[in-house]
Amino acid sequence: GAGVSQSPSNKVTEKGKDVELRCDPISGHTALYWYRQSLGQGLEFLIYFQGNSAPDKSGLPSDRFSAERTGGSVSTLTIQRTQQEDSAVYLCASSFGQGGQYFGPGTRLTVT
Amino acid sequence: DAKTTQPTSMDCAEGRAANLPCNHSTISGNEYVYWYRQIHSQGPQYIIHGLKNNETNEMASLIITEDRKSSTLILPHATLRDTAVYYCIVGEYGNKLVFGAGTILRVKS
Repeated sequence: GAGVSQSPSNKVTEKGKDVELRCDPISGHTALYWYRQSLGQGLEFLIYFQGNSAPDKSGLPSDRFSAERTGGSVSTLTIQRTQQEDSAVYLCASSFGQGGQYFGPGTRLTVT
Repeated sequence: DAKTTQPTSMDCAEGRAANLPCNHSTISGNEYVYWYRQIHSQGPQYIIHGLKNNETNEMASLIITEDRKSSTLILPHATLRDTAVYYCIVGEYGNKLVFGAGTILRVKS
């Protein structure tokens, strides 16, 4: 079946602009996660949605970052007033129950 | 989340079994052991997970010691396409993953 999809695959933006990144999880998966991976760095957790529960936002690096998940499915990660240090690959994953997390291909964000 | 310790890198001959160790001595009773891998320029790929018992799927086997303080991921017949960074992660199921540096596995012909 279809895996996790993300769009756009690449995004180049100017410093100070806002960006929106989209994630379509696997159908039926109740949990959705956002991570990011900076060049040469490890994967860093950002935010986690589980069903109708309040999201775990503990990994968001600043209040410029926010995310929502509409209808328990699609999620959008928004970065306001982008900075150069926001340049990274943003990865979305989804899971169901105690199973593993299935990752999308990521969105490569470059802030110039 | 409990921390894990993995070797920085390992080499394996193509066609042979790759055995990747992981230490997680502070794992708590409700934490699972998860293995993921990341092939260059791709998103992480889920491989396998377990709580207490050994597990096997089409990709790999997971051997967890009786005291649950360590585990081994086994790729039974490594191929060049298995060259990747392998991450051992412990955590409660359904929770966020905390990635360490992982093990760079190089499969050589």
